Amino acid sequence: GENVEQHPSTLSVQEGDSAVIKCTYSDSASNYFPWYKQELGKRPQLIIDIRSNVGEKKDQRIAVTLNKTAKHFSLHITETQPEDSAVYFCAALVSGGSYIPTFGRGTSLIVHP
Amino acid sequence: SQTIHQWPATLVQPVGSPLSLECTVEGTSNPNLYWYRQAAGRGLQLLFYSVGIGQISSEVPQNLSASRPQDRQFILSSKKLLLSDSGFYLCAWSVLGVNTEAFFGQGTRLTVV
Repeated sequence: GENVEQHPSTLSVQEGDSAVIKCTYSDSASNYFPWYKQELGKRPQLIIDIRSNVGEKKDQRIAVTLNKTAKHFSLHITETQPEDSAVYFCAALVSGGSYIPTFGRGTSLIVHP
Repeated sequence: SQTIHQWPATLVQPVGSPLSLECTVEGTSNPNLYWYRQAAGRGLQLLFYSVGIGQISSEVPQNLSASRPQDRQFILSSKKLLLSDSGFYLCAWSVLGVNTEAFFGQGTRLTVV
């Protein structure tokens, strides 16, 4: 089955800095890569996703890049704000196959004001 | 619009007692349903998934079981809870399609004492 590794487990930055979270996956058939944000005590919610036919996707201050050859994808947050503090999960799945998302272990991002 | 209900939000149960967590989905048909457990530092661990009524797949051997008596109802159960069953349990659903976003319930914080 799919195995997703996520690093770092914790990330502490100053407000205004950039944050990068990296994930690798093992199943070359995976073609959909969503990112979820989980604020303290709340449910995870999708913030951005990328499909295997593109290398980069951007939505305001967040962007995701995908390298299918190397089987890794990353989340980039620019101009971080305290409200970005949360746990972020990457996931990989075969859209068109089992549709079961395999999640990384999560990254706790702390943005210091 | 689609919504997902999960209850209870918090639960404190003694060791050896039974467990029943319920999840229902509205506004969609034949969803994939999932139970995840979130333990500190271990991310989102898939426990069970279901692609249809009565169809349950288990990802990890454990003290828990799941059932899907109706298309949009998913139940997580245990006959006798263990201390190690404590954690944050999340129900989620997705539908087959181009963008396979997973929608999570509010979660249940289970403490076994």
